[in-house]
This record gives sequence, C-alpha cells and structure tokens, in this order.
Amino acid sequence: GENVEQHPSTLSVQEGDSAVIKCTYSDSASNYFPWYKQELGKGPQLIIDIRSNVGEKKDQRIAVTLNKTAKHFSLHITETQPEDSAVYFCAASPGNQFYFGTGTSLTVIP
Amino acid sequence: KAGVTQTPRYLIKTRGQQVTLSCSPISGHRSVSWYQQTPGQGLQFLFEYFSETQRNKGNFPGRFSGRQFSNSRSEMNVSTLELGDSALYLCASSLAVAGPRETQYFGPGTRLLVL
Repeated sequence: GENVEQHPSTLSVQEGDSAVIKCTYSDSASNYFPWYKQELGKGPQLIIDIRSNVGEKKDQRIAVTLNKTAKHFSLHITETQPEDSAVYFCAASPGNQFYFGTGTSLTVIP
Repeated sequence: KAGVTQTPRYLIKTRGQQVTLSCSPISGHRSVSWYQQTPGQGLQFLFEYFSETQRNKGNFPGRFSGRQFSNSRSEMNVSTLELGDSALYLCASSLAVAGPRETQYFGPGTRLLVL
C-alpha cells in the first residue's frame, strides 16, 4: 500500500517567518493530496489540497507544491502568525483510501 | 451547512465492554470514513461506507465494525474493548461520487478511554 512520510515532526518559527513541511509518497497511483490542520481537542480541518494535474496551488498565505516525478509535495506557510500553531498532516490518496503522514507540530513564537 | 457531528464526544469504558460511536455527515455527503488517531500510530484508516455498503477497509481486527444507514449516518462498533483501543475516533464525510479521492471533512472526534 501507499506510504507517506512527513518531515519535520516538530517545527518552531518566529512570527512573520515562513514554514515549510515536506511529504513524500510511494504509490504513483496517488493523485489527490490534501493538507489538514489539527488544533488541540479538535478534528483535522482541511486547509488546502492539490491534484496530480496541478504543480502548485495557493490560497492567501498558504501554498502547496507537488512534484510527481520525485513523489513529494510540500506545504508553505508565509507570514506565520501565532494562530498557525497546530499539528499539520499531509495525506495521499491512490483512490481506495487516504494515507496520512505522521504530522508536524508547528509552533509560531510571537 | 452544518459540519460533521459525532456523538458522544467523550466515553470511558472498561476492558471487555463494547462501544458504539455515531457520526452524522454533512448534508448531501454519501461517504463516511472512520479513522483511529493515537499518538504512536497517527491517523489510521478503519473503513469507508458509501450508500450503506462498506467500500474500503483498513487493517483492523474484526472487533471493529460499522454500518451506514439510508440517511448516510454511520455508526462504528468496537467489541471486547482492549486498553490499546483508547484513542480519538474520527469520522470524515465526502461527496465521493467519483470514489474516495474527493475532499474529506472531519468531525471533532470521539475520545474513547478504556480502563
């Protein structure tokens, strides 16, 4: 089955700096890659997603890039704010189910 | 639209008991997936239901089962609870007309503690 690896596991940045989280996947059949943000005591919330026919997608301060050849995709958060502090999960779907990364705990230091 | 709702939010059970969790998807969504989230294993897929049929299944023992009703609401049952079943159980819904590659929206989860 699909294997999704996510790095780093923890990330601390100063407010206003950028944060980058990277994921790799193994199944070339995967063609949908969502990113989720999970705050303490809540369920994961979709923040952005990308499909394999697109290389990059942006939504305000958040962007995702996808390199199908290398089988990796990344989440970029610019101008980070304290409310961006949370655990972020990447996921990949080859069509039968979603496979999740192990999560990145992001801390934005004011 | 109202989001995905899960009941109960918190549950304490003892080993050997059974438990039933409930999930109401977003209106119009026909697919419901269940996940187990633990600090050690992360988010693991349990199963997916679409139009009252189990469409996909993860690698969990038969003690974990589920069903979906005609209104798309879903229930998950765990029998003969073990200490290791303590986890956050998440439900996610999607339109899933084209299969499980469509956006999933998660509920807040049910926190299960097995003593």
